[in-house]
Amino acid sequence: AQKVTQAQTEISVVEKEDVTLDCVYETRDTTYYLFWYKQPPSGELVFLIRRNSFDEQNEISGRYSWNFQKSTSSFNFTITASQVVDSAVYFCALGRVRGSNYKLTFGKGTLLTVNP
Amino acid sequence: DADVTQTPRNRITKTGKRIMLECSQTKGHDRMYWYRQDPGLGLRLIYYSFDVKDINKGEISDGYSVSRQAQAKFSLSLESAIPNQTALYFCATSDHRGSGEQYFGPGTRLTVT
Repeated sequence: AQKVTQAQTEISVVEKEDVTLDCVYETRDTTYYLFWYKQPPSGELVFLIRRNSFDEQNEISGRYSWNFQKSTSSFNFTITASQVVDSAVYFCALGRVRGSNYKLTFGKGTLLTVNP
Repeated sequence: DADVTQTPRNRITKTGKRIMLECSQTKGHDRMYWYRQDPGLGLRLIYYSFDVKDINKGEISDGYSVSRQAQAKFSLSLESAIPNQTALYFCATSDHRGSGEQYFGPGTRLTVT
């Protein structure tokens, strides 16, 4: 069975602090994808990143970075120098590969509040 | 214009009423999905459709039905709404040629009183 655990239900930081959101997943598949989505207070879900299980390179996009470690089944997300606009619920998700990639399994989300 | 649209955006209805939520997309994707979001539970899949002739139940399909009227349209119906169906509902799309990322509509907030 596929499972995604986001152990941090809520995190509160002060602007400019760095913050890491944890994501641990379980799957028996050898090939899979991992995703992060952002849900700001306005409610929409915004796709942030996709990672293939074969590619363990870390990725950086501006203030965002992602650390994928297959050995620990983790796909953590770090925001550097957080800003108030980063306040949102962040979801980690696990997906099966193309061909049967019909379903994403979502974690329960982490509410990040960045205070000025 | 948004690629994935949902109507209505907000709806209040009474127990026992039939209600339909609609989803349209201009992304040209073949796969469409309906999820519900409840506080503290994340997103749970209700139904998904690989193409117009293919519809499948997700993990929480009881009390719901769907119709894929065209590649671009996927509607969700609650035949007889009940209060525990109060939730935020999302439609999503994906392309079978992609790597699984799904693109979400803005959501419909449904309240059943």
